[in-house]
Amino acid sequence: QQQVKQSPQSLIVQKGGISIINCAYENTAFDYFPWYQQFPGKGPALLIAIRPDVSEKKEGRFTISFNKSAKQFSLHIMDSQPGDSATYFCAASMGDTGGFKTIFGAGTRLFVKA
Amino acid sequence: DAGVIQSPRHEVTEMGQEVTLRCKPISGHDYLFWYRQTMMRGLELLIYFNNNVPIDDSGMPEDRFSAKMPNASFSTLKIQPSEPRDSAVYFCASSLDSYSGNTIYFGEGSWLTVV
Repeated sequence: QQQVKQSPQSLIVQKGGISIINCAYENTAFDYFPWYQQFPGKGPALLIAIRPDVSEKKEGRFTISFNKSAKQFSLHIMDSQPGDSATYFCAASMGDTGGFKTIFGAGTRLFVKA
Repeated sequence: DAGVIQSPRHEVTEMGQEVTLRCKPISGHDYLFWYRQTMMRGLELLIYFNNNVPIDDSGMPEDRFSAKMPNASFSTLKIQPSEPRDSAVYFCASSLDSYSGNTIYFGEGSWLTVV
């Protein structure tokens, strides 16, 4: 119930195309859904995040779509660029006694071809 | 701020040796996390601290692993004895407080190879 399932494992997209990464969760106690971006040799860094009371959040070329009833959310990268090539992690977070817990998906390695 | 600082960045050690990874969280952050990243298992939470106190160590793989946080600005993750299957990237991360919407700030990782 604590898992966050992410797909695909890897993705190759042409420059200018749309990259789509999907995630699903089970536990309805999760109340915050961030996406992290990781470049080779670096740690993950927050990219964009959403709460379940909205269905979509857009920041520049990056959009999260959220379907609360299906317990699914996805990241769309519009006009994908070679500089977007990285590993993307979806995550789900919830407050907990004494702290909070963030569960990460397995990650998607995105490669954008020039 | 300098961000989360980890050392060493790279470590190659022989099986059976003790490994100590170090972390300095962002000043003022109450939460500190240790994660391990491998191709097979992705990003796994090993342990996290709140105000220097270990809260959840259920992700620590076995007794060979231990973590301490003697003060608000320093934490260590120790593996003794190390085994080849411990080879991974170990990330330290910190967060401001217990609000679930808080950003987790990761260090650049310690790349461990056990031969």
